[in-house]
Amino acid sequence: QKEVEQNSGPLSVPEGAIASLNCTYSDRGSQSFFWYRQYSGKSPELIMFIYSNGDKEDGRFTAQLNKASQYVSLLIRDSQPSDSATYLCAVIGTGNQFYFGTGTSLTVIP
Amino acid sequence: DTGVSQDPRHKITKRGQNVTFRCDPISEHNRLYWYRQTLGQGPEFLTYFQNEAQLEKSRLLSDRFSAERPKGSFSTLEIQRTEQGDSAMYLCASSLGPSSYNEQFFGPGTRLTVL
Repeated sequence: QKEVEQNSGPLSVPEGAIASLNCTYSDRGSQSFFWYRQYSGKSPELIMFIYSNGDKEDGRFTAQLNKASQYVSLLIRDSQPSDSATYLCAVIGTGNQFYFGTGTSLTVIP
Repeated sequence: DTGVSQDPRHKITKRGQNVTFRCDPISEHNRLYWYRQTLGQGPEFLTYFQNEAQLEKSRLLSDRFSAERPKGSFSTLEIQRTEQGDSAMYLCASSLGPSSYNEQFFGPGTRLTVL
């Protein structure tokens, strides 16, 4: 079992819609959770981090964490074509290692 | 630009040659990480440093790979006797550390092609 699992997609949404990206993790002791955006050929760029159960909002982005279900999600409201990228979920495990998922490819259709 | 720099940005080498990559982290960041990423995969952890100390190394990492951070500032990653399977993007990231809450910032990466 991989430490972090994501649906690889591709996920397509029309411009202006809400994109929902999901991630599960295996290490129940994990404390820190991150979402990175990666454009093709570029390095990952931090979008959001969340440490506590519940929702955290930043502009058009909302991260949701449910530690009991070992589940993290990212919602992108009013999706724009510039949001088209691969979204990586990352988790810091109990050993202080960063584990990344394989990423979900998102395409926002104009 | 996150403030993390890597050099070179691209490297083409022949199988069996040695290569060395450099990473300069954000100046006040104590932790420095190396990752490898292949197409369609997320970054795979290789190793990380807290200042000059190498605290952890992936069990999957071959003995041909070695990393240093001699003065706790920049770091180098060396791959000896390169193989075609080493072709990948090598990413460096830094964080304030040592808290587990510190987010990582990535450099632009070094793309290695082994012929």
